Amino acid sequence: GENVEQHPSTLSVQEGDSAVIKCTYSDSASNYFPWYKQELGKRPQLIIDIRSNVGEKKDQRIAVTLNKTAKHFSLHITETQPEDSAVYFCAAGAGGNQFYFGTGTSLTVIP
Amino acid sequence: KAGVTQTPRYLIKTRGQQVTLSCSPISGHRSVSWYQQTPGQGLQFLFEYFSETQRNKGNFPGRFSGRQFSNSRSEMNVSTLELGDSALYLCASSAVPSREKLFFGSGTQLSVL
Repeated sequence: GENVEQHPSTLSVQEGDSAVIKCTYSDSASNYFPWYKQELGKRPQLIIDIRSNVGEKKDQRIAVTLNKTAKHFSLHITETQPEDSAVYFCAAGAGGNQFYFGTGTSLTVIP
Repeated sequence: KAGVTQTPRYLIKTRGQQVTLSCSPISGHRSVSWYQQTPGQGLQFLFEYFSETQRNKGNFPGRFSGRQFSNSRSEMNVSTLELGDSALYLCASSAVPSREKLFFGSGTQLSVL
């Protein structure tokens, strides 16, 4: 089955700096890669996603890149703000709504 | 539009007991999937239902089962509870089961003593 690895597990950045979270996957059949943000005590919420026919996608301060050959994808957050502090999960899926999630990155933005 | 609703919010059970968790998807959503969240393990896929049929099942023992009703509401059952079953169980819904954005509920926090 699919195996998704996510790094780093914790990340601290100064407000205004950039944050990068990286994920790798093992199954070349995976073709959809969402990122979820989970604030403390709250439900995970989709923040951005990318499909395998696209190499990069941006949404304001958030961007995701995908390298199908290397089987890795990354989340980039620029100009970080305290409200970006949360746990971020990457995921990979190949069919239906069965997703394999990474183990999460706890991001702390220091004011 | 109401979000995904999960009940109960908290459950405390003892080993050997069984438990049933409920999930009401967003109105109009017909796909419901279940995930187990534990610290350090992230989210692990349990199963997915669409139109009352189980489409996919994760790598969990047969003690974990589920079903979906004609109104798309879903239930998850865990029999013969073990200490390791303590976790947050999240339900997610989407309009169709096709690599869609998942809308998660707040989860049911299960503690097995």
